[in-house]
Amino acid sequence: AQSVSQHNHHVILSEAASLELGCNYSYGGTVNLFWYVQYPGQHLQLLLKYFSGDPLVKGIKGFEAEFIKSKFSFNLRKPSVQWSDTAEYFCAVKMVDQGGKLIFGQGTELSVKP
Amino acid sequence: KAGVTQTPRYLIKTRGQQVTLSCSPISGHRSVSWYQQTPGQGLQFLFEYFSETQRNKGNFPGRFSGRQFSNSRSEMNVSTLELGDSALYLCASSLSQTNEKLFFGSGTQLSVL
Repeated sequence: AQSVSQHNHHVILSEAASLELGCNYSYGGTVNLFWYVQYPGQHLQLLLKYFSGDPLVKGIKGFEAEFIKSKFSFNLRKPSVQWSDTAEYFCAVKMVDQGGKLIFGQGTELSVKP
Repeated sequence: KAGVTQTPRYLIKTRGQQVTLSCSPISGHRSVSWYQQTPGQGLQFLFEYFSETQRNKGNFPGRFSGRQFSNSRSEMNVSTLELGDSALYLCASSLSQTNEKLFFGSGTQLSVL
């Protein structure tokens, strides 16, 4: 069965540290890729997305993600995190050839210490 | 523009009962999808509706069902509740089935005792 795996359940960083959250999926067909974020007490919201073209995509608040097709990965990065980045991050994969079903990873909770 | 509205916000039920959750999408959005969120499991896809038709379904038992009305509002029903159904149920809407940006509601927190 298709799945999305986020390697880290909880990441703790100090402000200004660099961030990389891993995301891998198991599906060999065409995919659209997303990262969603849920700040404390807020709704889930879209951080960035990849459909095609340049595999390095930039999102809001200085986040970026790189699609590596050969590794079935879509890792999220940020060079320097801030306390306000404390949130839960979800990777999601839309399997275009499978009727467009959107599958989410388990989520990674990021805590940034001031 | 109002966001995605889910009612009720909290529900407490006992095993064996049934429950209906409601979702009103953003005005103009025609696609509605439902997810179950539990700690450690992330979001698990339940189903997606577009133009009153179920377009996609996740791997949940038949006790979980849904429907969409002509005004795009959607309901989700769970019958014969089990303890394991306790979760946050999220609804998301988008302009169309192919539009990729989902807008999420606050969710309905269901507790089954």
